[in-house]
Amino acid sequence: DTGVSQDPRHKITKRGQNVTFRCDPISEHNRLYWYRQTLGQGPEFLTYFQNEAQLEKSRLLSDRFSAERPKGSFSTLEIQRTEQGDSAMYLCASSSRPGTPNGDTQYFGPGTRLTVL
Amino acid sequence: QKEVEQNSGPLSVPEGAIASLNCTYSDRGSQSFFWYRQYSGKSPELIMFIYSNGDKEDGRFTAQLNKASQYVSLLIRDSQPSDSATYLCAVKEYGNKLVFGAGTILRVKS
Repeated sequence: DTGVSQDPRHKITKRGQNVTFRCDPISEHNRLYWYRQTLGQGPEFLTYFQNEAQLEKSRLLSDRFSAERPKGSFSTLEIQRTEQGDSAMYLCASSSRPGTPNGDTQYFGPGTRLTVL
Repeated sequence: QKEVEQNSGPLSVPEGAIASLNCTYSDRGSQSFFWYRQYSGKSPELIMFIYSNGDKEDGRFTAQLNKASQYVSLLIRDSQPSDSATYLCAVKEYGNKLVFGAGTILRVKS
């Protein structure tokens, strides 16, 4: 169990550029989540996958945001035409199947800190 | 949007004391509750989860759940300076997403 990994750990970009983040969940975890966290706040839910299916999206996820999990393993989160308000820590988490021990528990990766200049 | 409320703190306790962190939630149907610890600049790290009314103990940590009062707490016994962090309360909504409080900053003074 190597834990959830995310890449890159830090990203600085200029307003208007596109960025893409990657998340590799804990192996055999079939559920993957994206959250966004700004300073002084708790993480806010963005979207969730079960295997390759995107089952829920937050209203926070504008049309500039898109997430994929094409083979049910790693996931990518893309932000198009970045804005300064997109500056945040983007967190990925994974969990195993419901009904398994600790199946509800989400384990977080180290996060990708995005700064939009 | 269901809400999770925490006192932002900071909560200051002397080393060796008991730290008590509290959380209330609005969704009466919530079934799963989590406490995460987050050091500055790092990601949330799971401390404990609790599903049933009552107490759950794990080492120096005790989670308490009262569903009737919609209240979850975390007690940290024998607090250490290394416990200084932000503690996030999270509630699992119907479906699978977690709704987090804004966190309570804990400072343990040596």
